[in-house]
Amino acid sequence: DQQVKQNSPSLSVQEGRISILNCDYTNSMFDYFLWYKKYPAEGPTFLISISSIKDKNEDGRFTVFLNKSAKHLSLHIVPSQPGDSAVYFCAASRDDKIIFGKGTRLHILP
Amino acid sequence: EAQVTQNPRYLITVTGKKLTVTCSQNMNHEYMSWYRQDPGLGLRQIYYSMNVEVTDKGDVPEGYKVSRKEKRNFPLILESPSPNQTSLYFCASSGDSAIAKNIQYFGAGTRLSVL
Repeated sequence: DQQVKQNSPSLSVQEGRISILNCDYTNSMFDYFLWYKKYPAEGPTFLISISSIKDKNEDGRFTVFLNKSAKHLSLHIVPSQPGDSAVYFCAASRDDKIIFGKGTRLHILP
Repeated sequence: EAQVTQNPRYLITVTGKKLTVTCSQNMNHEYMSWYRQDPGLGLRQIYYSMNVEVTDKGDVPEGYKVSRKEKRNFPLILESPSPNQTSLYFCASSGDSAIAKNIQYFGAGTRLSVL
């Protein structure tokens, strides 16, 4: 059973517009939620996280929103830039385990 | 430079021939982990280690072994590789506080093909 779901395998967004990546989870016991970014031929890199006790965390162009009642989180990138083209993994953690989603490939169009 | 180093980066082997993928980190991290990435399945955790001599199974441990004899090293061992272990493997490390554990530093990956 997939505990962290990213239902959109890919997303294309015009440069300068807002990119919104979505993630759903099933386990209400997760205490942190994270986004990682991955370029081809590289390992994933940490992007931003949010504690389960918060509903928003912002870091520059990146904002993560958490809706606990809907078990949903989203990553907003504003404005989108060409370097944002990558695969984005949503992840959730509890105790010593981190569970990743399948990833969403983001294409930023010129 | 803070980094996680995996070797080899690419490996082609045959079914049943034991192999080891090494992982080393220079950040004095307590937590280390191995993942595999497969198309359509994302990143799945194989094993993790909270500290020296402490290891535990992740979501897909079958067919793999690990050891943590030193803090900096966390090798992944495939005693008898099979074709379904063909995958892209990542090692990661992080600190052990509640927040630091979530900020994992990943190696560049090892692409393994088992024929």
